[in-house]
Parts: sequence; C-alpha cells; structure tokens
Amino acid sequence: ILNVEQSPQSLHVQEGDSTNFTCSFPSSNFYALHWYRWETAKSPEALFVMTLNGDEKKKGRISATLNTKEGYSYLYIKGSQPEDSATYLCAFCDVSGTYKYIFGTGTRLKVLA
Amino acid sequence: SQTIHQWPATLVQPVGSPLSLECTVEGTSNPNLYWYRQAAGRGLQLLFYSVGIGQISSEVPQNLSASRPQDRQFILSSKKLLLSDSGFYLCAWSEGVSPHFGNGTRLTVT
Repeated sequence: ILNVEQSPQSLHVQEGDSTNFTCSFPSSNFYALHWYRWETAKSPEALFVMTLNGDEKKKGRISATLNTKEGYSYLYIKGSQPEDSATYLCAFCDVSGTYKYIFGTGTRLKVLA
Repeated sequence: SQTIHQWPATLVQPVGSPLSLECTVEGTSNPNLYWYRQAAGRGLQLLFYSVGIGQISSEVPQNLSASRPQDRQFILSSKKLLLSDSGFYLCAWSEGVSPHFGNGTRLTVT
C-alpha cells in the first residue's frame, strides 16, 4: 500500500508570515508529484506537477521543491494572506502506468488577518 | 475545453438505502476516471479508478461499487448504505497529467 504523508496536519499563521509544509512519499518507482489547493465547498485546484528530482516550481507567492531520492516535497507560501487559507494536498503517482494518484491527508492552513 | 459534472451536490440517505452518484466528463475521450472519498478529518482516499469502459479497479474493500457504462460516465453505487459511508465524494478525470475534479457530493447517511 502506497503511503503519502503530509505535515503538519494543520497550521495557523499570521498575515504576512511565510510558511512551509511537507509531503513525504515512496522514493521508489516515482513518476510525478502533484500539489493541490482545496477550499471548502470547491473542487481541488491543481497548483504544480513535479516530475524531476530537484524540480522547483513557482506560482506567485507559492513555490514547491522536489527531492525524489529521499521522497519529499516542500510547499512554501511567502507573505501569507487570508485568501491562502485552504487545505493543501499532495498526490503521488508511480511508474506502474496505471495513473493512480494517491493523496496525502492534507495540511489545513488558516491565515489570520 | 473539458468539463466534469458530478451530481447530486448533497444527499441525505437512511442506512440500508441504495446509492447512485453519477459523474460525466465532456470534451475528451477515453479519460482515466476516479472516485475519491474524504471521510471526516481525513485526506482523499482513492476508492476506484477506471482506464476504459468496463475496466474498474478497486483500491479498498468496502460497501461500494463503481461502473463505467460509457466512455465518459462513471457511477458510484451501493446496494445498502452504512453509517460509515458518510463523507465527501469526489469524481475526477485525467489524461495522464493532473486529475481534474468535480465539485463533489456531500453524503450523509442517517
């Protein structure tokens, strides 16, 4: 059974703070790692798809890094804003060719104004 | 462009009643289709995925079943709901890159 872990489970930060959270995944048979942003009552929104070891992606104030050898990815948010409040999910896909996406439990971020 | 429709948005059903949630995708052909569930306080759990008509893979033993009667239609069913089936169900499609999600169904079994 593939295990994808995210930490912390939840996080409260003040507006303007920078923050980061972790996604851990199996380091063997890696194909891709996805990050999603999920707001309550909406469908998850894709942020990044990362495939290469050492990948670094950026979208506005949000960026992500990938280490496939040790099996982790970090998501960073610079200068958090209240609208960043959401659950951030990572999803792991292996090379089996079945395109199964296994999600972590998510990190619930609350940015306080 | 591709769109995904999932219904109903909310559902309240008594224990022991049947269930049918439907998901359809437009604007693409032969997509991979997925059903996920988020139980209270937990992440997204993959329930079923399908790479083609009639091809269903089940990830966890459970009280639910899935069917794909047409290329872009994916149905989640149960003959008799349990209290533990309550949760938020998401349908998704992909063509091998990121899955794209429907708006979800909030199921409450009473």
